[in-house]
Amino acid sequence: QSALTQPASVSGSPGQSITISCTGTSSDVGAYNYVSWYQQYPGKAPKLMVYDVTKRPSGVSNRFSGSKSVNTASLTISGLQAEDEADYYCSSYTRSSTWVFGGGTKLTVL
Amino acid sequence: QVTLKESGPALVKPTQTLTLTCTFSGFSLTTSGVRVSWVRQPPGKALEWLARIDWDGDKFYSTSLKTRLTISKDTSKNQVVLTMTNMDPVDTATYYCARIWTTVAGMSFDIWGQGTMVTVSS
Repeated sequence: QSALTQPASVSGSPGQSITISCTGTSSDVGAYNYVSWYQQYPGKAPKLMVYDVTKRPSGVSNRFSGSKSVNTASLTISGLQAEDEADYYCSSYTRSSTWVFGGGTKLTVL
Repeated sequence: QVTLKESGPALVKPTQTLTLTCTFSGFSLTTSGVRVSWVRQPPGKALEWLARIDWDGDKFYSTSLKTRLTISKDTSKNQVVLTMTNMDPVDTATYYCARIWTTVAGMSFDIWGQGTMVTVSS
């Protein structure tokens, strides 16, 4: 199972919006609406930010939103804040009943 | 409060077998839809899914590592154990366990342990 493809880095200024893409195949991202996104600070465990493509867990800011088109999922962060600077990973459940992660995207808030 | 905590050796030698334990609280692995997975992350690299065990005992493994992995559960102790054989320096990573509960958060890892760093070196 190959990793999902994410940009290595994205950046934006406070208040702006950014989008991180996550490209897979018809065997993972395109197979189900089971894409999730995780935020990870250095030395910390990942935190779930979006699940089932568009849903947010309780307590996660509505500045975080997800979408999907065919084999590509996206995470959009609006009203960028300094605290959003972190690594972001996408993940998808697959037709093989396994999971696959993306390579991760480092978000820099300028 | 839902928590998971990983435990195991910090250092293993090449060719040895690694045994990691995930001890959890605040939920039961006998509840329908609950699963526990292991995920690892080499230093400075991406997350990699390893294995999963379900409430009904079903087990699934990473295709690339399945010959080396065994996952098991002890519901009376609220523990999930992962063993990985024939350890190599490339297996040096932080190992996390995480919960999946479809009722709560679909097929995602909604709660993670703090992780345990394992170094493989002679």
